[in-house]
Amino acid sequence: EAGVAQSPRYKIIEKRQSVAFWCNPISGHATLYWYQQILGQGPKLLIQFQNNGVVDDSQLPKDRFSAERLKGVDSTLKIQPAKLEDSAVYLCASSLHGRGMDEQYFGPGTRLTVT
Amino acid sequence: QQQVKQSPQSLIVQKGGISIINCAYENTAFDYFPWYQQFPGKGPALLIAIRPDVSEKKEGRFTISFNKSAKQFSLHIMDSQPGDSATYFCAGRVYGGADGLTFGKGTHLIIQP
Repeated sequence: EAGVAQSPRYKIIEKRQSVAFWCNPISGHATLYWYQQILGQGPKLLIQFQNNGVVDDSQLPKDRFSAERLKGVDSTLKIQPAKLEDSAVYLCASSLHGRGMDEQYFGPGTRLTVT
Repeated sequence: QQQVKQSPQSLIVQKGGISIINCAYENTAFDYFPWYQQFPGKGPALLIAIRPDVSEKKEGRFTISFNKSAKQFSLHIMDSQPGDSATYFCAGRVYGGADGLTFGKGTHLIIQP
């Protein structure tokens, strides 16, 4: 079974530029998550989708971050404009149903450096 | 704010020894507690998880101990091996809810051969 795919793996941009990350979850997984992992910290949930609807985006900085999951499969996370403090690894995860003891499977992440 | 506090930040254990990582949580609505293992350049991977209706869960060399009254839980790695060297995260989640995971800050574990 293929895992969660993310691209690009690395991205370097200057502050105030825009950037987009792509995620392809495990086939059949209804729930998709985006996490931000700053160096030396645990992942922090940014947004959770159930199929193509948003379940939780309470920690998403909506003035600069946006995310969508068209057709309930792939997802993109965009930052516009980027700030220095956005430097982090952006992890995508998926789970079958998103409840109970469903395991969340993580992708390898996209490492973003903002200069 | 929901929070999970994890300690120690880093840990060095000799091969064959016991590695112990501790976590404490504040949100009493949490009732699902997984541990994740992360290697450099990889995403976290589920190691073992527990619900608080049991005080202990063991899978191979990995054991979670849970103290509901103290709102604390810990991961024990028995017979630690160099391949266990990684960063470990504890987390909490509201069982049955739609919330994502709330992670601790992680413990960098090094097993010396």
